[in-house]
Amino acid sequence: EVQLVESGGGLVQPGGSLRLSCAASGFTVSSNYMSWVRQAPGKGLEWVSVIYSGGRTYYADSVKGRFTISRDNSKNTLYLQMNSLRAEDTAVYYCAREMDSSSPIGMDVWGQGTTVTVSS
Amino acid sequence: QSVLTQPPSASGTPGQRVTISCSGSSSNIGSNTVNWYQQLPGAAPKLLIYSNNQRPSGVPDRFSGSKSGTSASLAISGLQSEDEADYYCAAWDDSLNGYVFGTGTKVTVL
Repeated sequence: EVQLVESGGGLVQPGGSLRLSCAASGFTVSSNYMSWVRQAPGKGLEWVSVIYSGGRTYYADSVKGRFTISRDNSKNTLYLQMNSLRAEDTAVYYCAREMDSSSPIGMDVWGQGTTVTVSS
Repeated sequence: QSVLTQPPSASGTPGQRVTISCSGSSSNIGSNTVNWYQQLPGAAPKLLIYSNNQRPSGVPDRFSGSKSGTSASLAISGLQSEDEADYYCAAWDDSLNGYVFGTGTKVTVL
């Protein structure tokens, strides 16, 4: 079964760090574009970051310089390292798989989400 | 931040047809395909439409998508109570090198 399972969320103080994990099963993370998408409480969806199958990475302006997306091919797992966290980073974070291995036409597999709360 | 504009709400009675619009720009909808997501309360988003008008396996044909220029729309025909959810459009943005999402539309079945 094709599945994504996120973990690593929690409560962190402003300025702190957290690393989110997204374990994949049923497919190979390194063969697809993989994205992180977040949703603040009561708000809409916001794309955060993507890693291409070739390894290139891109970020939303709101997290550029603070967040780093990566993957461990041996563990078939996607990561999001989040540093210098701010209150506005509070959200449910989802990892998602791009359905086409070479172009962005839609994200067909989503994890259940992990909650990050930034508060003192 | 949302770059694609959607109406905040839409509603209809069971069996009716509801349409949701999505407006973007030349760097996103104008250059790339549009996808639509359905998000039920407390759940992760679900891909409803990809490549403007294609349905993934398992999505009822009551859902249809279209695109023209820098705008797109999602139509739900034969509205059912289980269609009550939030709907988001999305498209790849060439200037951002990432996805932009719509502001979201809450569909209510009266």
